[in-house]
Amino acid sequence: AQKVTQAQTEISVVEKEDVTLDCVYETRDTTYYLFWYKQPPSGELVFLIRRNSFDEQNEISGRYSWNFQKSTSSFNFTITASQVVDSAVYFCALSEARKDYGGSQGNLIFGKGTKLSVKP
Amino acid sequence: EAGVTQSPTHLIKTRGQQATLRCSPISGHTSVYWYQQALGLGLQFLLWYDEGEERNRGNFPPRFSGRQFPNYSSELNVNALELEDSALYLCASSRGTFLHEQYFGPGTRLTVT
Repeated sequence: AQKVTQAQTEISVVEKEDVTLDCVYETRDTTYYLFWYKQPPSGELVFLIRRNSFDEQNEISGRYSWNFQKSTSSFNFTITASQVVDSAVYFCALSEARKDYGGSQGNLIFGKGTKLSVKP
Repeated sequence: EAGVTQSPTHLIKTRGQQATLRCSPISGHTSVYWYQQALGLGLQFLLWYDEGEERNRGNFPPRFSGRQFPNYSSELNVNALELEDSALYLCASSRGTFLHEQYFGPGTRLTVT
């Protein structure tokens, strides 16, 4: 069965610290997609990144970086030099491919989320 | 480019009533998804519509239903409301059925009393 585990419920850091949010997933499919979303206090989920199962290259976008390791079924997210504006709940999500054409099943399976608080 | 819009922002209903939630996708997006974010239960997938058809459904009872209109907007209907239906209902849209990232709206907060 598909499952996403974000073991860290809450993390609190001081501004400028680096922080890593962990995400472990379970799937029996060989084709799948992984996502990270940010949910600030306003409530709207903001898309951050998508990764497919065939692309294990790590990605960096400004202060954000993602480490995808199929061997450990992990897709971790690091924020470098955190800022107060990074305070939010971060969700990792998984989507499996439809068997007929490889497109997504449609539904995202979300982890429970990690609440990040960055204090000045 | 306008994002996903949802209406109303807040909705208060009593147990047993029906609720209708609306969603307009980003221009050019044909797929619409509905999720429920209830306290303590996290984000759970409800429904996926594409080109007017229901493509996938989450583990929710039949009193949760919806539809997608020719202009790709969508409606979520919840019949016979129960107290545990109180939640934030999020709508998302994406381009087509092949995998594309889903972009979310601000949500509708449904309170059932």
